[in-house]
Amino acid sequence: GNSVTQMEGPVTLSEEAFLTINCTYTATGYPSLFWYVQYPGEGLQLLLKATKADDKGSNKGFEATYRKETTSFHLEKGSVQVSDSAVYFCALSLVIQGAQKLVFGQGTRLTINP
Amino acid sequence: KAGVTQTPRYLIKTRGQQVTLSCSPISGHRSVSWYQQTPGQGLQFLFEYFSETQRNKGNFPGRFSGRQFSNSRSEMNVSTLELGDSALYLCASRRVGLAAQETQYFGPGTRLLVL
Repeated sequence: GNSVTQMEGPVTLSEEAFLTINCTYTATGYPSLFWYVQYPGEGLQLLLKATKADDKGSNKGFEATYRKETTSFHLEKGSVQVSDSAVYFCALSLVIQGAQKLVFGQGTRLTINP
Repeated sequence: KAGVTQTPRYLIKTRGQQVTLSCSPISGHRSVSWYQQTPGQGLQFLFEYFSETQRNKGNFPGRFSGRQFSNSRSEMNVSTLELGDSALYLCASRRVGLAAQETQYFGPGTRLLVL
């Protein structure tokens, strides 16, 4: 089946630290990969995406590269800020006969301390 | 451009009641998907609608249903509510165009509490 596995949280870092959140996937076909972020009391916001192998998605200092050989899409940021505190979800998207659904990882709660 | 809107934002119901949640997609988006988010099960896909037709369905009982109107707005209904239906219900819209893979944009969610 199709599934996404994220590193377990919570993750706590100091401001300006380097961030990595691991994400691996299992999929039939050729999925697109996404990172979404959820701030307290809000819905999901798209952070970045990649649609094919070796694509790199980037936004707001965050990056992730679609690695088909290792079935991974790890999220990285060189220097985190307190405002990055949120829950991060890795997801894959599959389209079957025009219908699309997202399969999510369990989420990783990130807390950044000043 | 306005984002995805969901109403109501919060809802309290009792077991056995039914509930209807509403979602208005981003202008020009024709597909609406619904997801349930709970602490135990995480984010799970409920169903997707476009052109007023259900295109895909997740593994949920028949108590969960939905529909889409000609203006692409969607509603989901849960009948005979159970305590386990307490969750954040998220709606997402996408354009439905030529690209095989399109980004889904999420609304703020409706938080349902079943007592």
